[in-house]
Amino acid sequence: DIQMTQSPASLSASVGDRVIINCRASQSISNHVNWFQHKPGNAPKFLIYGASTLESGVPSRFSGSGSGTDFTLAISSLQPEDSATYYCQQSYTTPYTFGLGTKVEI
Amino acid sequence: QLHLQESGPGLVKPSATLSLTCTVSGGSMNTNTFYWAWLRQSPRKGLEWIGYIYYSGITYYNTYLKSRVAISVDTSENQFSLKLSSVTAGDSGVYYCATWVGGTTRSFTSWGQGRLVTVSS
Repeated sequence: DIQMTQSPASLSASVGDRVIINCRASQSISNHVNWFQHKPGNAPKFLIYGASTLESGVPSRFSGSGSGTDFTLAISSLQPEDSATYYCQQSYTTPYTFGLGTKVEI
Repeated sequence: QLHLQESGPGLVKPSATLSLTCTVSGGSMNTNTFYWAWLRQSPRKGLEWIGYIYYSGITYYNTYLKSRVAISVDTSENQFSLKLSSVTAGDSGVYYCATWVGGTTRSFTSWGQGRLVTVSS
């Protein structure tokens, strides 16, 4: 199976900061990475597919990049409502696998 | 906008069968747009894809769970279901239903809030 390794496991930042979350795949997966936001008690929210394409309605302060094995999720200007855990997921092949998450605290 | 909601017992005895249902509202399930998926999350394993089903009934399962899993769909009731047999404590966690979109998206696009299931006697 393809392992997805996220870093850091958690981070604390201030409103307005730029935040970077990293995700590394155990093998090359082209651009088949998705990103999700999850707040406790809520349904996970789909943010980005194909490594860099924003889902409709997702604020433009979110962006994704990368290909091959290394990927990043960036939040350009952190907002209070961005406090959540963020997950990367590979859709290159089944079984689809996820990173363990990065908890972002404001 | 689709809304998905999981339902079913929150407590299951070891060696029994876990059964959950996902009710879909806001659209018809009789469509070739989505696969109907189940995932779960536990502290030990994180987020894990269990499998999904197409509206036609074709299923795809995670190989690690394939021998114990069955996903079915009832498009007339706008529901799909998960059965996981011979459960152990390791099957405890939050179970999510979701939609999978293929093509260029290849992602889980809508999720339910999740159902906490504990396996315990």
